[in-house]
Amino acid sequence: ETGVTQSPTHLIKTRGQQVTLRCSSQSGHNTVSWYQQALGQGPQFIFQYYREEENGRGNFPPRFSGLQFPNYSSELNVNALELDDSALYLCASSLTSGGANEQFFGPGTRLTVL
Amino acid sequence: GENVEQHPSTLSVQEGDSAVIKCTYSDSASNYFPWYKQELGKRPQLIIDIRSNVGEKKDQRIAVTLNKTAKHFSLHITETQPEDSAVYFCAASSTNFGNEKLTFGTGTRLTIIP
Repeated sequence: ETGVTQSPTHLIKTRGQQVTLRCSSQSGHNTVSWYQQALGQGPQFIFQYYREEENGRGNFPPRFSGLQFPNYSSELNVNALELDDSALYLCASSLTSGGANEQFFGPGTRLTVL
Repeated sequence: GENVEQHPSTLSVQEGDSAVIKCTYSDSASNYFPWYKQELGKRPQLIIDIRSNVGEKKDQRIAVTLNKTAKHFSLHITETQPEDSAVYFCAASSTNFGNEKLTFGTGTRLTIIP
């Protein structure tokens, strides 16, 4: 198992609400990426944070936002939740050093929007 | 942007036989190709990866081959065992800073028949 942790494990929200998901990166890693995995699909890249700055963004609307803290942990915030936001949200940590960039995933947060 | 196609979507093999999963990618700038195994309800786990400076990599029963000219890479599992049953995802990314997102294939559900 990796040292990447996520909280909460499961979450149920209603349409229009806001949610915050949290991720603690593996020791020694400085980069956190967030992915959305719909049922039966591969993970889709949301964005990446490197040393507290956004370092790339996928095709997701601005209501998906994030933060990275000085200890390299990260948050994903989603505003104005929609039914289609129901998915498994995965964070992955890696060490950005100009070379190898293996990404190790956390266990995910399963979000259900009713 | 990058597009990764993966085939087949489902694969059933007899225990002890070999399994092969194939992926193609579109972006010639991609130079890192990991494979992840995801068991039901669990996180994707990195099982093997290959970089564009090599054509083949092997780790016990698992091997990956890469053809940069044709832009395709394959996962080979030999002497399959029941615990190999899972969904396998290929992915592609660049190690260029700011463009390290993983683009995933749609997954292959591998079933090992005892």
